[in-house]
Amino acid sequence: QQQVKQSPQSLIVQKGGISIINCAYENTAFDYFPWYQQFPGKGPALLIAIRPDVSEKKEGRFTISFNKSAKQFSLHIMDSQPGDSATYFCAADSSGGSYIPTFGRGTSLIVHP
Amino acid sequence: KAGVTQTPRYLIKTRGQQVTLSCSPISGHRSVSWYQQTPGQGLQFLFEYFSETQRNKGNFPGRFSGRQFSNSRSEMNVSTLELGDSALYLCASSWEDRDTDTQYFGPGTRLTVL
Repeated sequence: QQQVKQSPQSLIVQKGGISIINCAYENTAFDYFPWYQQFPGKGPALLIAIRPDVSEKKEGRFTISFNKSAKQFSLHIMDSQPGDSATYFCAADSSGGSYIPTFGRGTSLIVHP
Repeated sequence: KAGVTQTPRYLIKTRGQQVTLSCSPISGHRSVSWYQQTPGQGLQFLFEYFSETQRNKGNFPGRFSGRQFSNSRSEMNVSTLELGDSALYLCASSWEDRDTDTQYFGPGTRLTVL
């Protein structure tokens, strides 16, 4: 079964701190790895995504680190803000739809002011 | 530009009934995907439609079906509802491909099966 394992399940950080969420996948055919942010009562929103040909991608305070050999990737939120408090999902997908997209179970992030 | 809209937002059904959910994608988007979100199983992919054709399908029973119309609007149907079908059903649209074009999610339809 194609799985994506996400940890931790919940995370509490102080304002200004760094939030780190990790994901691991099994199927090496996956070649697109997005992160989604979801607020209560809303649908997920794409935050940032990476492909295996790069080891890191940064957009503002959000950075994805990708380790192809270990089949792991992580989301780093720098200078975490209370407005970042949300649930974060990692996912693994494939170009052309060869495999169905698979999601991690989610991480509930709380940033204390 | 209007976002992805889903109707209805909330729905209560009883076991054995069937239900149809509707999704209107962002104007110009031709790919529509459906997902089920539950506390127990998380986010799971149901199927994707592109230009009125099912392009990809997740591991759900045949009770779950969908279709897409020529204007890209999509519907999903669940027949013979079971208690376990209670979930948030999310629709997402993208220009053509969900892995190269940003996928935008709607707010979801909350289905409760009694």
